[in-house]
Amino acid sequence: NAGVTQTPKFQVLKTGQSMTLQCAQDMNHNSMYWYRQDPGMGLRLIYYSASEGTTDKGEVPNGYNVSRLNKREFSLRLESAAPSQTSVYFCASSDGDRGGRFFGPGTRLTVL
Amino acid sequence: AQTVTQSQPEMSVQEAETVTLSCTYDTSENNYYLFWYKQPPSRQMILVIRQEAYKQQNATENRFSVNFQKAAKSFSLKISDSQLGDTAMYFCEQETSGSRLTFGEGTQLTVNP
Repeated sequence: NAGVTQTPKFQVLKTGQSMTLQCAQDMNHNSMYWYRQDPGMGLRLIYYSASEGTTDKGEVPNGYNVSRLNKREFSLRLESAAPSQTSVYFCASSDGDRGGRFFGPGTRLTVL
Repeated sequence: AQTVTQSQPEMSVQEAETVTLSCTYDTSENNYYLFWYKQPPSRQMILVIRQEAYKQQNATENRFSVNFQKAAKSFSLKISDSQLGDTAMYFCEQETSGSRLTFGEGTQLTVNP
């Protein structure tokens, strides 16, 4: 039981490049989330998916797209990376009954 | 708009002592959930404790307990018998209807030997 896994752990991009962050969970959770964490700002919700086949915007969705590929996987795509997207990205999942979220180990992304 | 405020950016405590981290929030909803998470230097976010707003009783998980005061919109975390492994950043989070999730800015707790 790996919980929530994320790949890659680290990534460096040049401005304008694209990439996809991968997330998978093996806890049979319905809900999945993408957050970004910036120094002094806590975590901010980018997108979430309440169930397979649905996605909704969070607090800071601009510049990102998501795909809920199946119940296990929820990917985050940066189409044209910008330096303002330099951050640590966390994926999380929950069973949807307000039990709190289980987090992945994070991806540290630097955009030059 | 929802806000969650953690007014203590940093705190320190001696090993084996008790420390309380504060969190206040603002919502117009009556039914919501509150959480405390711990983020140690490894960066892994770990759920510590949850509280349902409609429950009067304060949640407790081993050495961790909360003081939930709904009228004051306050949700503090008490850590008893502090251990070196409790050194971490602690985040308060609020969840309301429609998966509206708001984190506080965090409190860095250092447990000193």
